[in-house]
Amino acid sequence: GAGVSQTPSNKVTEKGKYVELRCDPISGHTALYWYRQSLGQGPEFLIYFQGTGAADDSGLPNDRFFAVRPEGSVSTLKIQRTERGDSAVYLCASSLMHGVNEQFFGPGTRLTVL
Amino acid sequence: GQQLNQSPQSMFIQEGEDVSMNCTSSSIFNTWLWYKQDPGEGPVLLIALYKAGELTSNGRLTAQFGITRKDSFLNISASIPSDVGIYFCAGLLRGGGSNYKLTFGKGTLLTVNP
Repeated sequence: GAGVSQTPSNKVTEKGKYVELRCDPISGHTALYWYRQSLGQGPEFLIYFQGTGAADDSGLPNDRFFAVRPEGSVSTLKIQRTERGDSAVYLCASSLMHGVNEQFFGPGTRLTVL
Repeated sequence: GQQLNQSPQSMFIQEGEDVSMNCTSSSIFNTWLWYKQDPGEGPVLLIALYKAGELTSNGRLTAQFGITRKDSFLNISASIPSDVGIYFCAGLLRGGGSNYKLTFGKGTLLTVNP
């Protein structure tokens, strides 16, 4: 079946603008994760959803970042008033359940804030 | 956020050579994972280790979970050009309140010269 998909693959925006990044998890996966990967770094955890609810948003850097998953499937990561430091690859992953179940990663959205 | 200490940062080797990379942490993990990331893609799981001292192979890959639970290594034998990519270690603490939160190393960039 299809893997995790993310759109857009690339997003260029100007400082101060609002952006939305979308993640379509693998069908049937109840757990969904967002990570941020800066250049030369490993992915860093942002937020985890179990079903529709955000079970852990402790990795979100500040209140400009918000994510939703209203129907327990597709998720949207929203960034308000973007800053140049937000430039990174935003990765989404999903797993059958949380815990040791393998997290399958999408290809990521490369966000560039000019 | 916390990241694991992964070394070396990069390696340039000839096709057919063996490769070794390792990861250390100041914290204990009870699961160690090794991922490979190709350009423009998300990380893909290579090997998962669940017990201290465990040695696991997957084809030409061999990984070990350190006895102290604070380190792991990955060996690749008889490298081939398609081994090129960035290899990440990741730790996971099962059974705790955050048993979904992967902590990644900074990665090892592997280049294989044909």
